[in-house]
Amino acid sequence: DTAVSQTPKYLVTQMGNDKSIKCEQNLGHDTMYWYKQDSKKFLKIMFSYNNKELIINETVPNRFSPKSPDKAHLNLHINSLELGDSAVYFCASSRRDGNYGYTFGSGTRLTVV
Amino acid sequence: DAKTTQPPSMDCAEGRAANLPCNHSTISGNEYVYWYRQIHSQGPQYIIHGLKNNETNEMASLIITEDRKSSTLILPHATLRDTAVYYCIVFQTQGGSEKLVFGKGMKLTVNP
Repeated sequence: DTAVSQTPKYLVTQMGNDKSIKCEQNLGHDTMYWYKQDSKKFLKIMFSYNNKELIINETVPNRFSPKSPDKAHLNLHINSLELGDSAVYFCASSRRDGNYGYTFGSGTRLTVV
Repeated sequence: DAKTTQPPSMDCAEGRAANLPCNHSTISGNEYVYWYRQIHSQGPQYIIHGLKNNETNEMASLIITEDRKSSTLILPHATLRDTAVYYCIVFQTQGGSEKLVFGKGMKLTVNP
């Protein structure tokens, strides 16, 4: 059983398109996150949700909109994709207090052409 | 705004112990030291964490100095599959608003 699963694993799309990445966790965690890893390999947090409530929004453009239908799912919708959005996006989950570590998904490699 | 410093890279021979250092001189009393690693193209993986006592699990041991200003992650018998970027992170739980901030990490290469 995959603890944190993301789909799709790869996504190639044209500039200006709208796309979504889905994430699901079966660990019973209360908190979920989206991280972005750019070409220089820096991992940066984008959002966190705790039990469907947005907790952290790290100065991410409005084109990025997370949606959490329930505490086991956190999807990321991106409007009007730009070349600079090309990156690997990781979903993660944790207990509410973050202790005992975050569990990350295997990532979605987004390429905007 | 990572609060830790690590050497950029390190080599280790397969089968030997790998000792990965980390400095966190500004750590505060209620901040934990966490270690994660990222094997090429995979998601980061939690390894171990500690507050002030030394910790051991099935993956590694964590040695924290008495003044808590530095720590060492020990992989007792490194294998080729341990080649990865290792991140040392200080982290404080804040009732849900905390965030795990990754620095540049340290690339460990295990050589045959």
